Amino acid sequence: DQQVKQNSPSLSVQEGRISILNCDYTNSMFDYFLWYKKYPAEGPTFLISISSIKDKNEDGRFTVFLNKSAKHLSLHIVPSQPGDSAVYFCAASEAGNQFYFGTGTSLTVIP
Amino acid sequence: NAGVTQTPKFQVLKTGQSMTLQCAQDMNHNSMYWYRQDPGMGLRLIYYSASEGTTDKGEVPNGYNVSRLNKREFSLRLESAAPSQTSVYFCASSEFLGGRGKDTQYFGPGTRLTVL
Repeated sequence: DQQVKQNSPSLSVQEGRISILNCDYTNSMFDYFLWYKKYPAEGPTFLISISSIKDKNEDGRFTVFLNKSAKHLSLHIVPSQPGDSAVYFCAASEAGNQFYFGTGTSLTVIP
Repeated sequence: NAGVTQTPKFQVLKTGQSMTLQCAQDMNHNSMYWYRQDPGMGLRLIYYSASEGTTDKGEVPNGYNVSRLNKREFSLRLESAAPSQTSVYFCASSEFLGGRGKDTQYFGPGTRLTVL
């Protein structure tokens, strides 16, 4: 049973606009969340993380929001650039244990 | 630093054949992981090694075995390959199990395996 879900397999956005990628989880014990970015034929690379004691974390153009009551997190990319075109995975863990990954969202930023 | 390296990059097997996927990291990390990525399924953990000398099952361990050869190397073995094991396999490492912040998992480039 998938504990971390990304319900949008793909997303297309115009360059310069905001990209919003969503992720839902079912395990209320998850206390740490990450986003990874993956280009074709490469391994995923860490993008940004958030602890459950926060509701927002920002790093440059990337912001992650966490809504614990809704068991929902989102990644905002502003402004979107063509180089952001990739597959984005969210992941969650509980108490320093293994990570559970979502199914990924393929983002295409149109120049 | 090479980071996490995996060999081979590609492999085609026939049903019933065996093979070992190799993974090595040069970051002096304690924990290492094997994932598989399938369309519509995301990344699923096969096995992990929290520290040298220990291994544990992940979400999808059936049909696989692992060996933590030393601190650097963590191999994944398919004893009798099946078409359901066709996938892209990723090795990852982190300083500690469930690493936090920028010390979270670093991934290798993947091995694309096809079982006919």
